Amino acid sequence: QQQVKQSPQSLIVQKGGISIINCAYENTAFDYFPWYQQFPGKGPALLIAIRPDVSEKKEGRFTISFNKSAKQFSLHIMDSQPGDSATYFCAASLPIDYKLSFGAGTTVTVRA
Amino acid sequence: GAGVSQSPRYKVAKRGQDVALRCDPISGHVSLFWYQQALGQGPEFLTYFQNEAQLDKSGLPSDRFFAERPEGSVSTLKIQRTQQEDSAVYLCASSGVASPLHFGNGTRLTVT
Repeated sequence: QQQVKQSPQSLIVQKGGISIINCAYENTAFDYFPWYQQFPGKGPALLIAIRPDVSEKKEGRFTISFNKSAKQFSLHIMDSQPGDSATYFCAASLPIDYKLSFGAGTTVTVRA
Repeated sequence: GAGVSQSPRYKVAKRGQDVALRCDPISGHVSLFWYQQALGQGPEFLTYFQNEAQLDKSGLPSDRFFAERPEGSVSTLKIQRTQQEDSAVYLCASSGVASPLHFGNGTRLTVT
């Protein structure tokens, strides 16, 4: 069964807008929560990651918000640019075990 | 090379043929993973190596799938008697100690 559920399946945002992608997980033993960005014909590339001891992590225009009690985490893309158009995957793994469980992905389209 | 290299990039096989997919991980990376990504879906874990030892093969869908990493560097994923449902992108990823996964660009397998 899918251990990480991701929504929405797709979203369209205007240039300069905010993209928000949400993920929920069931396994409370998960200890590492990365987000990957994938362009067509390419492999996933790590964008940003968080561990459950912090509630928020920001790197440039990308922010992860983490809610341990709700077992949810989200990616916010600020000031979205056309180059951000890609598929984004959330994932989770157990401690010292990098077998990742991925969400189904969100296709983000940024309109100029 | 600087990244994970996979070959071939594309493979077309007739149903029933055997195929072999190659992965060259980043030099020095101890951990190596294979994932299967169906169209429009997130990657699904297949198997994991630490050096030459295959520590987890719980994601291999059937006994037609076999992976090896005999010298702890290059890995090969072999699929025997291919079926149409095997059509997918096969991703290889590697990581060093306590470091995130780096994915290759995958091999797109089409079984006709």
